[in-house]
Amino acid sequence: DTAVSQTPKYLVTQMGNDKSIKCEQNLGHDTMYWYKQDSKKFLKIMFSYNNKELIINETVPNRFSPKSPDKAHLNLHINSLELGDSAVYFCASSPLDGNTIYFGEGSWLTVV
Amino acid sequence: KNEVEQSPQNLTAQEGEFITINCSYSVGISALHWLQQHPGGGIVSLFMLSSGKKKHGRLIATINIQEKHSSLHITASHPRDSAVYICAVYNAGKSTFGDGTTLTVKP
Repeated sequence: DTAVSQTPKYLVTQMGNDKSIKCEQNLGHDTMYWYKQDSKKFLKIMFSYNNKELIINETVPNRFSPKSPDKAHLNLHINSLELGDSAVYFCASSPLDGNTIYFGEGSWLTVV
Repeated sequence: KNEVEQSPQNLTAQEGEFITINCSYSVGISALHWLQQHPGGGIVSLFMLSSGKKKHGRLIATINIQEKHSSLHITASHPRDSAVYICAVYNAGKSTFGDGTTLTVKP
């Protein structure tokens, strides 16, 4: 069973659209994350979220919003997509003690 | 200057060689993380360290909190070790990543 699963794996969409990427973890972890990896392969954290606290990287535009219906899910909603949003988005989760982190396989978003 | 600096940026080695990748950081941290990303894109967590040393198979990670430095060592390197190795530091819920070290191990 996949520990952290993301859908869709590939998404091509037009500028201005609103899209969501879903993430689910079956590890019982308390904290989930969204990362963005741009064309230069640099990884940047966007959000970290547990059932108590959402921490937002201040550089993330407010067109991006995480939504967590329950502890096992953290979905990423993106409004008014722009060309620069094209990237690979990784979801991850970790237990509260933070001793390890598990990544999803990534979602390749292309905005045209 | 990045808060997290990795060296070298690129590294080519022959199979069997001992490899060291370095990570220096300039901020206070609660933990440091070594990640591996293969050409297919998947990211695997190798180690999370807050002090001392950890070993898993042929991989060893060390951290010196006073010197703000960590190293990842690979013993008896193999072509399947070819990947990008990323250092990340964590503090108060914020993570900062190095730019990665691209390792190529030739048979």
